[in-house]
Amino acid sequence: GAGVSQSPSNKVTEKGKDVELRCDPISGHTALYWYRQSLGQGLEFLIYFQGNSAPDKSGLPSDRFSAERTGGSVSTLTIQRTQQEDSAVYLCASSLALEHNEQFFGPGTRLTVL
Amino acid sequence: AQTVTQSQPEMSVQEAETVTLSCTYDTSENNYYLFWYKQPPSRQMILVIRQEAYKQQNATENRFSVNFQKAAKSFSLKISDSQLGDTAMYFCAFISNFGNEKLTFGTGTRLTIIP
Repeated sequence: GAGVSQSPSNKVTEKGKDVELRCDPISGHTALYWYRQSLGQGLEFLIYFQGNSAPDKSGLPSDRFSAERTGGSVSTLTIQRTQQEDSAVYLCASSLALEHNEQFFGPGTRLTVL
Repeated sequence: AQTVTQSQPEMSVQEAETVTLSCTYDTSENNYYLFWYKQPPSRQMILVIRQEAYKQQNATENRFSVNFQKAAKSFSLKISDSQLGDTAMYFCAFISNFGNEKLTFGTGTRLTIIP
């Protein structure tokens, strides 16, 4: 079956512009996660959705970052007024019910802020 | 808060040899899961192996096995008969057993298999 998909694959933007990153989870997966991977670093948790609600937004680095999920499926991560330090790979993952705890990752979006 | 430490930024090994990647973690919880993920240049994170903390038996998946030492909070990955396709970044990760919470990752080990 189809895995987690993300779009765009790569995004180059100018400092100060807004960007939207999209994630399509595996069908039927109720949990969805966003992570950020900066160059040479591990993955940093950003936000987690269970259905359409976000019980944990603790990882969002500033109020320029927001995310939503509609219909319990597709999620969009929005970064407003992008800064150069926002340049990173943004990875999305999804998982099944609580007891599984296995997250399946998408290929990520590489964001470059000039 | 949980932390995961990978002390080997880079490793290399000859094809067909065995290599062990180290990982230590810190938590006050008793029930949790540990994972090794592989990230090739394609960026796709691929689950290699998982271990439930309540299981004493070490997990194995074909050429991949772990040495899980709960008391020492150590979780190393052994790759036997290494292949060129094993070249990738390897990340150790921790997740609480209390529902779908975030994965906490180490900083990764870049593994190169030399032909």
